[in-house]
Amino acid sequence: AQTVTQSQPEMSVQEAETVTLSCTYDTSESNYYLFWYKQPPSRQMILVIRQEAYKQQNATENRFSVNFQKAAKSFSLKISDSQLGDTAMYFCAFYSTGAGSYQLTFGKGTKLSVIP
Amino acid sequence: SAVISQKPSRDICQRGTSLTIQCQVDSQVTMMFWYRQQPGQSLTLIATANQGSEATYESGFVIDKFPISRPNLTFSTLTVSNMSPEDSSIYLCSVEQGYNEQFFGPGTRLTVL
Repeated sequence: AQTVTQSQPEMSVQEAETVTLSCTYDTSESNYYLFWYKQPPSRQMILVIRQEAYKQQNATENRFSVNFQKAAKSFSLKISDSQLGDTAMYFCAFYSTGAGSYQLTFGKGTKLSVIP
Repeated sequence: SAVISQKPSRDICQRGTSLTIQCQVDSQVTMMFWYRQQPGQSLTLIATANQGSEATYESGFVIDKFPISRPNLTFSTLTVSNMSPEDSSIYLCSVEQGYNEQFFGPGTRLTVL
């Protein structure tokens, strides 16, 4: 079974600064996908960024980028130029279709507060 | 990405009653999923619902408690039966599109008294 660990329950960052959220995972699968989701107080889950395990290049989406270390099973999210609207819960998620399962496995989340 | 709506957005129910949550998608999708998010917790998959077949439930969730319908490629319902306060959660549906990406509805906040 896959597990996803987010070791930082809460973090804060000053507006316009950079913050990195950590995520590690455990799996025996070789082909999988990793995601970061954002859940603001409105509770809508929003896909922030995705990474395919077979790709060595780190994914980027505007101010959001990841540091994917496959051997270390690490998948951190970097948010540059933090904005007040980035305040939210951030969930790291693992996805694999191995054994016919289509389950997204989520970490416990990191609550990020952007301070003006 | 698909536009997903859920009804109701929130509800307060008495214990022992049942609530049916609807999930509507603006495009046809093969796979739909139902998740539960207990207060302050992460998301846990309840079941996978494919059109034309029985839903597949995850460990700890049973059909008698959480019956699911999937009558077509744009719609699904989840019923929370014989509710107790422990069922107070946010219930979210999601759909799979693109490269194994899941997109979520806005969620239904359920409070059971």
